[in-house]
Amino acid sequence: DIQMTQSPSSLSASVGDRVTITCQASQDISKNLNWYQQIPGKAPKLLIFDASKLETEVPSRFTGSGSGTEFTFTISSLQPEDIATYFCQQHDTLPFTFGGGTKVEIK
Amino acid sequence: QVQLVQSGAEVKKPGASVKVSCKTSGYTFTDYYIHWVRQAPGQGLEWMGWVNPDSGGTRYTQKFQGRVTMTRDTSSRTAYMEVTRLRSDDTAVFYCARNLIGYGAFDLWGQGTVVTVSS
Repeated sequence: DIQMTQSPSSLSASVGDRVTITCQASQDISKNLNWYQQIPGKAPKLLIFDASKLETEVPSRFTGSGSGTEFTFTISSLQPEDIATYFCQQHDTLPFTFGGGTKVEIK
Repeated sequence: QVQLVQSGAEVKKPGASVKVSCKTSGYTFTDYYIHWVRQAPGQGLEWMGWVNPDSGGTRYTQKFQGRVTMTRDTSSRTAYMEVTRLRSDDTAVFYCARNLIGYGAFDLWGQGTVVTVSS
């Protein structure tokens, strides 16, 4: 199975800060990488698909980049409503696998 | 309205079975696979498998092979996931999610079903 390693596992930042999360795949997955946001008590929500494509109606402050084994997810200006856990997920090879998650909190 | 609505919370004893439903609406049922994802308390997301609503074909991750069955009913536009021989470490929230056939992103999720396994 492809292992997805996310870092950091948690972070604390101020409103307006730029936040960056990385996801590393254990083998080349091209651009077959998605990012999800999970607010506590809610189902995950798709934000970015195929590494860098913004899902419909998702604010443009969320961006993704990368290919191969190294990927980055960025919130350009952290907002209070962005408090959540963020997960990467590869869809290159079955079984689909997720990163361990990054919990984002407000400082 | 495009949505996936799951059945309610369940409490089961070890060794029992549970069947969770995922009722879809607002889109062409057969255009999207239905996947099931498990999330243990305080833990991450774990993909379990999918069912093809058109053919009924399934694919399960090896961890759940032999203990999970995914089915669908096209007349009611509902997908089902049954887990047998429940253990206490199966206590989790189970989500259904869809992906457009040919694409890899889960663009719509159910609200989740809490399954508690306890003696």
